[in-house]
Amino acid sequence: QLQLQESGPGLVKPSETLSLTCSVSGGSINGSIYYWGWIRQTPGKGLEQIGTIYYTGLTYYKPSLRSRVTISVDTSKNQFSLRLSSVTAADTAMYFCCALGYSGFSDNWGQGTLVTVSS
Amino acid sequence: DIQMTQSPSSLSASVGDRVTITCRASQSVNYYLNWYQQKPGKAPKLLIYVASSLQSGVPSRFSGSGSGTDFTLTISSLQPEDFATYYCQQSYFTPLTFGGGTKVEFK
Repeated sequence: QLQLQESGPGLVKPSETLSLTCSVSGGSINGSIYYWGWIRQTPGKGLEQIGTIYYTGLTYYKPSLRSRVTISVDTSKNQFSLRLSSVTAADTAMYFCCALGYSGFSDNWGQGTLVTVSS
Repeated sequence: DIQMTQSPSSLSASVGDRVTITCRASQSVNYYLNWYQQKPGKAPKLLIYVASSLQSGVPSRFSGSGSGTDFTLTISSLQPEDFATYYCQQSYFTPLTFGGGTKVEFK
């Protein structure tokens, strides 16, 4: 049974960089059938895809976030990470990592981590 | 981005009721439409994928139908554990996009 767990600071200052890591257990990121993704949720904008990465390093970023987002994978640690630069209050959200199948749905999500952008 | 519109945004129902939630896409997503259930403080849980396939372990009272732009999630007989928020998600286009949610509340 695949399990995902987000980790990282819960508070980030405006203009700084948000960094989160998703640790995967119960399966290997390497050579996987999944795309590894980040999705965030806010009361105002709802659920929003940020981007995905394949174990080869192939990435997709939502165009409106592309200039600020980097998703990377560390197959040796069975982890993937999110960096979002120049954050503002609008980036305050619950951030989820997930494993997406080729048809674009996910039956494996982390529990989520709340990140607040505030000075 | 493909806009996903759910209706209603909330509904009140009783245990045993038949509940229907609709989702409309701003353009055809073929059958690449998925449904999730979310409870407070939890991650979304996959119920239905590619319009009508029931995820393993999900009770058979949940069903999905539709194709193109119009889709439906039906709960045939609402149970106490079904009070939650339901989201549709299209996976035909990038970025993946979600509906605004339908909150099912106790009448």
